[in-house]
Amino acid sequence: SSELTQDPAVSVALGQTVTITCQGDSLRSYDASWYQQRPGQAPSLVIYYKNNRPSGIPDRFSGSNSGNTASLTITGAQAEDDADYYCYSRDSSGNHWVFGGGTKLTVL
Amino acid sequence: QVQLQESGPGLVKPSETLSLTCTVTGYSMRSGYFWGWIRQPPGKGLESIGIIYHSGSTYYNPSLKSRVTMSVDTSKNQFSLRLSSVTAADTAVYYCARVGPIGVPAQLLYYMDVWGKGTTVTVSS
Repeated sequence: SSELTQDPAVSVALGQTVTITCQGDSLRSYDASWYQQRPGQAPSLVIYYKNNRPSGIPDRFSGSNSGNTASLTITGAQAEDDADYYCYSRDSSGNHWVFGGGTKLTVL
Repeated sequence: QVQLQESGPGLVKPSETLSLTCTVTGYSMRSGYFWGWIRQPPGKGLESIGIIYHSGSTYYNPSLKSRVTMSVDTSKNQFSLRLSSVTAADTAVYYCARVGPIGVPAQLLYYMDVWGKGTTVTVSS
């Protein structure tokens, strides 16, 4: 099991806002990066370090941290956002790097 | 445009050693960044295997550390993964990625900003 906990599945209506969370003790001290993986494709980076977006990532994707929770928010979800999302950060010891278990986002 | 491409055998026998290479194009590995391997068993989530710097310094996932060796060949702009004593549990899609360090040293974080397409490795006799 991962030290970063994500809800296995979340759904959102087209055009609505959805937040995907990642919980872990390490997140009180460290930020997380977020990855999108569409079916049959490699993961791709969508958010890293204090809400930075790589070039080409739409500004409807945003990230935040509060307490032991990192969050990825999609404001105005689109059909192409239907994918798995993974968080990545340090574990509770601070010495190792781990992925969350992943969240399957369904856009209805 | 930075691109990464994994290569290696798609089928490995149990107890043997899995060997993969990642070829980097569009970026010199000597210029910075770290380089990593990640895997994904069928129908499951992502697992970090390890990270290597162009100098050769490494970080390995503790659950795999006893079986993993990563190396880098900057003359070929490649880095490699060897995983020994494989079992069926090592069957997965293996990805290589460019890894960016960010943040102050005491709170250093990594992020993977460029990924290869992945290569499927099956462990079976």
